[in-house]
Amino acid sequence: NAGVTQTPKFRILKIGQSMTLQCTQDMNHNYMYWYRQDPGMGLKLIYYSVGAGITDKGEVPNGYNVSRSTTEDFPLRLELAAPSQTSVYFCASRPGAGGRSGELFFGEGSRLTVL
Amino acid sequence: AQSVAQPEDQVNVAEGNPLTVKCTYSVSGNPYLFWYVQYPNRGLQFLLKYITGDNLVKGSYGFEAEFNKSQTSFHLKKPSALVSDSALYFCAVRDDPGTASKLTFGTGTRLQVTL
Repeated sequence: NAGVTQTPKFRILKIGQSMTLQCTQDMNHNYMYWYRQDPGMGLKLIYYSVGAGITDKGEVPNGYNVSRSTTEDFPLRLELAAPSQTSVYFCASRPGAGGRSGELFFGEGSRLTVL
Repeated sequence: AQSVAQPEDQVNVAEGNPLTVKCTYSVSGNPYLFWYVQYPNRGLQFLLKYITGDNLVKGSYGFEAEFNKSQTSFHLKKPSALVSDSALYFCAVRDDPGTASKLTFGTGTRLQVTL
């Protein structure tokens, strides 16, 4: 059981470039999230999804887009990379009900540097 | 709006001594509280949660946390620290575990356990 898989693990972008961070989960979780982690700032929610075809903004959505065409996949797109988007990005998922409801399962993270 | 405060950036403790990592919260409804741990270059891992019931919650790796409603606190504890407990610890809160309501994280506390 792979859990939550993120790719790539590392990426360097130039200002203005675009890229997509991939996230896949094999636990059939309805809820999926994208967070960014900056030193001393904790985790900030970028976007989330409650199921295929449904997405919504979190605290810091500017500069990002998401889609959720399947239950398994929740890619995060950066259209015009800026230095302020240098961060570590985490994808997470959780079940909607049952004993483990509320617990988030995290991927290993994607470290993005924008120069 | 919900929020979490972790007042200590770092906690230092000697191996074998008890440890406490502090967390206070603010929510409008009933709090649902979580602790997560992050090892270097890894995603966050669930440690324990409080939903309802006993104020003392036991979790993974010998950790426990005490919910105190009057003090709006949810401090993480362990009777005897290990060097391998050294990591970054995050407290998190939401006001309902079964909906799309989002988890709000604290800024994290680095635990350093020395011999």
